[in-house]
Amino acid sequence: DQQVKQNSPSLSVQEGRISILNCDYTNSMFDYFLWYKKYPAEGPTFLISISSIKDKNEDGRFTVFLNKSAKHLSLHIVPSQPGDSAVYFCAASRGGSNYQLIWGAGTKLIIKP
Amino acid sequence: GAGVSQSPSNKVTEKGKDVELRCDPISGHTALYWYRQSLGQGLEFLIYFQGNSAPDKSGLPSDRFSAERTGGSVSTLTIQRTQQEDSAVYLCASSLGLAGGLKNIQYFGAGTRLSVL
Repeated sequence: DQQVKQNSPSLSVQEGRISILNCDYTNSMFDYFLWYKKYPAEGPTFLISISSIKDKNEDGRFTVFLNKSAKHLSLHIVPSQPGDSAVYFCAASRGGSNYQLIWGAGTKLIIKP
Repeated sequence: GAGVSQSPSNKVTEKGKDVELRCDPISGHTALYWYRQSLGQGLEFLIYFQGNSAPDKSGLPSDRFSAERTGGSVSTLTIQRTQQEDSAVYLCASSLGLAGGLKNIQYFGAGTRLSVL
């Protein structure tokens, strides 16, 4: 049962435009969501997160939006830069004493010059 | 150390051999996780250590897989009698292991790429 889903395996965006990466989840008990970025031959690195009590969190070019009623979150990158080309993973946690993250399968973002 | 360190970075082995993968977490992090990423797939949870508690082994795919964490720090993932389907990148992560939000952030090593011939 895949509790966190990233339905787009890949996404291609023109440099300078907005990249929108989507993530859906099924477990209403998730209360914290994270986005990680992964370059080839490296481990994933934390990018941005959002608590379920918020609907938006912004950090520079990166904004994460959370729609709890739809169980959907999205990561917006604007403007997109060539260095943003990577695989982006969405992850969720139930908080409390549970420290585990449930991961999506990832979306490969390609920024075209 | 400054980050999570994994060794070796690459390991090529023959089918049927045993392998040991090592993870050195960030100092002070009480939680340690092992994941596996097969080609084109997402992160597959394997095992999780938190302080002195019994590890959560629910993700281990078979009894050929085991892991230890000595002294609450370094961890070793052992795969016995390796099979070709074990070929993957094995990632280790650590976190503060405290409840709530940003304290759940996991910091990853670069991984060990295992190839079973």
